[in-house]
Amino acid sequence: EDQVTQSPEALRLQEGESSSLNCSYTVSGLRGLFWYRQDPGKGPEFLFTLYSAGEEKEKERLKATLTKKESFLHITAPKPEDSATYLCAVDGNKLVFGAGTILRVKS
Amino acid sequence: DAMVIQNPRYQVTQFGKPVTLSCSQTLNHNVMYWYQQKSSQAPKLLFHYYDKDFNNEADTPDNFQSRRPNTSFCFLDIRSPGLGDAAMYLCATSRGGQGNHEQYFGPGTRLTVT
Repeated sequence: EDQVTQSPEALRLQEGESSSLNCSYTVSGLRGLFWYRQDPGKGPEFLFTLYSAGEEKEKERLKATLTKKESFLHITAPKPEDSATYLCAVDGNKLVFGAGTILRVKS
Repeated sequence: DAMVIQNPRYQVTQFGKPVTLSCSQTLNHNVMYWYQQKSSQAPKLLFHYYDKDFNNEADTPDNFQSRRPNTSFCFLDIRSPGLGDAAMYLCATSRGGQGNHEQYFGPGTRLTVT
């Protein structure tokens, strides 16, 4: 059974304090790994798709990387508006989501 | 802007009273999904339509049904809501076809069961 584990469950950062979120996965035949951002009371917003180990994608202060067992979402010099829940999902036979990491960035 | 729209955003229903949630999309995507998300949990796939083909998840309760009358619209029917069905219900779409395609989500409908 495909599984996705995200860590940490919650992360508090000071504005400008860079860090990384982790997504570990087991899947029989990875067809894609997706990162989403979810604000409270809203639907997930698509950020990145990664297809193969070694691939990297960047968008503003966010950078996603992929290995054969895990993905990292690196946040460089975060701002308060980066506060959200970040969800990772893997596409094997179907999309399986992790429970997310709640990120809080304080000014 | 192309988008996924869900109505209503908030729905209150009584225990056992049928309720219907709606989703529409202007993306012209082939695939539409319904997810249930409870507080601090991952979204859980209930079912999806690939065009008119309905695909039910094995652990989706019979209490949940879906209809897709055309490409643009999809409905989630909860026949007899229980207190445990209170959750955020998310509709998503994807392009389908060959390759791996990201899913685009609507804003969700927050269902309260009293």
